[in-house]
Amino acid sequence: NAGVMQNPRHLVRRRGQEARLRCSPMKGHSHVYWYRQLPEEGLKFMVYLQKENIIDESGMPKERFSAEFPKEGPSILRIQQVVRGDSAAYFCASSRQGGQDYTFGSGTRLTVV
Amino acid sequence: EDQVTQSPEALRLQEGESSSLNCSYTVSGLRGLFWYRQDPGKGPEFLFTLYSAGEEKEKERLKATLTKKESFLHITAPKPEDSATYLCAVQARTGNQFYFGTGTSLTVIP
Repeated sequence: NAGVMQNPRHLVRRRGQEARLRCSPMKGHSHVYWYRQLPEEGLKFMVYLQKENIIDESGMPKERFSAEFPKEGPSILRIQQVVRGDSAAYFCASSRQGGQDYTFGSGTRLTVV
Repeated sequence: EDQVTQSPEALRLQEGESSSLNCSYTVSGLRGLFWYRQDPGKGPEFLFTLYSAGEEKEKERLKATLTKKESFLHITAPKPEDSATYLCAVQARTGNQFYFGTGTSLTVIP
């Protein structure tokens, strides 16, 4: 039973490019959450999605960031026109309905050069 | 506002030297308090969930306790392999998101 799968593990982008981070939840999990971990800071909630629905995006920056969880395929966190301040580790978690079995992936480390 | 504060930020222990990590929290209706271990370059690994004041859970050298305002992670006779960052998070009754502290970086010296 594979855990939460995130790819790529490492991503390097130049300023102004787009970054796409993917997350496949655990089997049987229908809820996906994205968190960002900046150096020397704790994990900060960004967005909570179910299939084809954004439930809570209160932690998402208003510009350049978007997330989706389509009917088929992984959840995608998209960052447009990346800046150096976007460099961080982005973690995805998934859970069953009601929040049980909350499990984190290994993260994608984004470096903007 | 829901928030979590962990102390100390960093802790160095000799192998076998027991200690405790603190997690203070404020939350509007606690659904659960969670402890995770995070190794460098990896995602958080689940350790414990505590749901109500007075609850305790144990796993090997670790024991987590919960009061209405804080949680402690007690480490008994630690080994070098216990070196990691320990994260505390709370989940409110409304919503499924977690609020994390900044963690305690534990180093156990042989």
